[in-house]
Amino acid sequence: GQSLEQPSEVTAVEGAIVQINCTYQTSGFYGLSWYQQHDGGAPTFLSYNALDGLEETGRFSSFLSRSDSYGYLLLQELQMKDSASYFCAVSDSWGKLQFGAGTQVVVTP
Amino acid sequence: DSGVTQTPKHLITATGQRVTLRCSPRSGDLSVYWYQQSLDQGLQFLIHYYNGEERAKGNILERFSAQQFPDLHSELNLSSLELGDSALYFCASSVEASAADYEQYFGPGTRLTVT
Repeated sequence: GQSLEQPSEVTAVEGAIVQINCTYQTSGFYGLSWYQQHDGGAPTFLSYNALDGLEETGRFSSFLSRSDSYGYLLLQELQMKDSASYFCAVSDSWGKLQFGAGTQVVVTP
Repeated sequence: DSGVTQTPKHLITATGQRVTLRCSPRSGDLSVYWYQQSLDQGLQFLIHYYNGEERAKGNILERFSAQQFPDLHSELNLSSLELGDSALYFCASSVEASAADYEQYFGPGTRLTVT
């Protein structure tokens, strides 16, 4: 089976940097994705790592270490609109996503 | 707007009933994935269809079934509904059915309330 662990909540002030860690135990791992979901909204894709290393997309970066079964999402220059839930997800060869429980990020003024 | 549409947006029904949720993928996408999101279970994968064929099943109950039609839209059928089936149901689409096609586009979801 597969399991993913991520913190349940992180609080930070505007302009700060937040790192959301994700550890996973899985078979048939192909990649680690990150999705953002605002309250009542649909998940939206943020980033994907299939190989070890850092992927940068604007203010968001994602890192993967396959040997450690570990990844993180880095949110820089936090803005109020970044308050949302962030999910890590592992994908198998067919693209099926197995999601973590999500991390609620609360950005305060 | 992801380009994925789901109907209805909200659905309220009674225990024991049957409902059908509909999903139209983005134009050109061949894969449709269904997910259930409830407060205590998070986002759970239910089932995956690719070009009309079932490709993978997750923890989908036997009371639930799905299909993908020749025009690529998909329907998720939920029967003998129980209170615990109340949740947000999302469908997502992608072009292919491989890990290389890693970005999934989620629809707005159908909120099902079973009373």
